[in-house]
Amino acid sequence: KQEVTQIPAALSVPEGENLVLNCSFTDSAIYNLQWFRQDPGKGLTSLLLIQSSQREQTSGRLNASLDKSSGRSTLYIAASQPGDSATYLCAVKDDYKLSFGAGTTVTVRA
Amino acid sequence: GAVVSQHPSRVICKSGTSVKIECRSLDFQATTMFWYRQFPKKSLMLMATSNEGSKATYEQGVEKDKFLINHASLTLSTLTVTSAHPEDSSFYICSAPPRHNQETQYFGPGTRLLVL
Repeated sequence: KQEVTQIPAALSVPEGENLVLNCSFTDSAIYNLQWFRQDPGKGLTSLLLIQSSQREQTSGRLNASLDKSSGRSTLYIAASQPGDSATYLCAVKDDYKLSFGAGTTVTVRA
Repeated sequence: GAVVSQHPSRVICKSGTSVKIECRSLDFQATTMFWYRQFPKKSLMLMATSNEGSKATYEQGVEKDKFLINHASLTLSTLTVTSAHPEDSSFYICSAPPRHNQETQYFGPGTRLLVL
């Protein structure tokens, strides 16, 4: 059974600092890995999707890396802004379903 | 981008009643939809996979008679929580991959259920 872990559970940084969010998974036989953003009481917004054959994906200030063999992914958010405050979830797809981590709740202080 | 809606966004009900939650894909067709449950500060847990025109596939430990799923059309799936109890209180989220691109999943905004 796939287990997805995200560390830290919560993070508070001053505006402008770079953010580093970690995700690890136990079974490396995955199709892809996604990072999502979730605002309080809301659904999920997909940020980045990395295929199993890829090592990273970039979108604006966001960069996600994937090391499938070691079961790790890292999401980097450059020059954080208060609007980046949210919970960030990673999810791996194996076979037919997504397995989610519990998320990292980020607070960016103005 | 593609949009998935859920209705209602929030519901409070008495113990013993049944509650229906709708999940609609607004601008694409979906042969499959997924229902998740999320507890505070916890992962989303897949409950079941809803298949258009056929029976839903439930994850281990999820009672199919408790959580009835119907996927009557290519744009609508419903989750009915039957005889709800306080322990069923949770945040329920659906997602759907477009029929033409199963790689991507679009998530609904979620439904907050509170059973008194």
